[in-house]
Amino acid sequence: DQQVKQNSPSLSVQEGRISILNCDYTNSMFDYFLWYKKYPAEGPTFLISISSIKDKNEDGRFTVFLNKSAKHLSLHIVPSQPGDSAVYFCAARLLQVRSGGSNYKLTFGKGTLLTVNP
Amino acid sequence: KAGVTQTPRYLIKTRGQQVTLSCSPISGHRSVSWYQQTPGQGLQFLFEYFSETQRNKGNFPGRFSGRQFSNSRSEMNVSTLELGDSALYLCASSLVRGGHNEQFFGPGTRLTVL
Repeated sequence: DQQVKQNSPSLSVQEGRISILNCDYTNSMFDYFLWYKKYPAEGPTFLISISSIKDKNEDGRFTVFLNKSAKHLSLHIVPSQPGDSAVYFCAARLLQVRSGGSNYKLTFGKGTLLTVNP
Repeated sequence: KAGVTQTPRYLIKTRGQQVTLSCSPISGHRSVSWYQQTPGQGLQFLFEYFSETQRNKGNFPGRFSGRQFSNSRSEMNVSTLELGDSALYLCASSLVRGGHNEQFFGPGTRLTVL
């Protein structure tokens, strides 16, 4: 059962336009959501995150929106640049409380390949 | 500051063999997490180590194991390799446990099982 879904495997936009990457989740207990960007032959890099108690977080050209009732989040990139071309992973964090202490577990989506055309 | 390093970068093994992958975290980082990335399943969490103890484990069989040394370097071992174990194995380090917004990934080890 895939708890974090990125239904679009790829997205192509024109330079200067807005890129919207979508992510859906099923577990209402996720407390934190993150977006990572991955270039070929490199590991993912953290991009932006949002707490479940917020509905928007903005950092420069990147904005993440969270709609808890719809269990949906999206990443907006405005304006898109060719250097933004990469695979974008959505991830959700779950707090697990155990007798030995608490732990966080990340669940990732399968990623969306964004191509920004000059 | 040097980033997360993983060795080897590429590895080819045959079914039934075992493999050990190594990860050196960023200096000062004490948490090391391992992930498996495949085209079909995407990124999946394997386990997290903090202060030489496994703190969290994903849904992988017991053939996948790991350990962390006192210098925070970590190794991941896969025994009795199967074709489906072919994947990119990523290591990520952070200063604290659960510090996912401060998690830095290495370039990965590409494992191919023939």
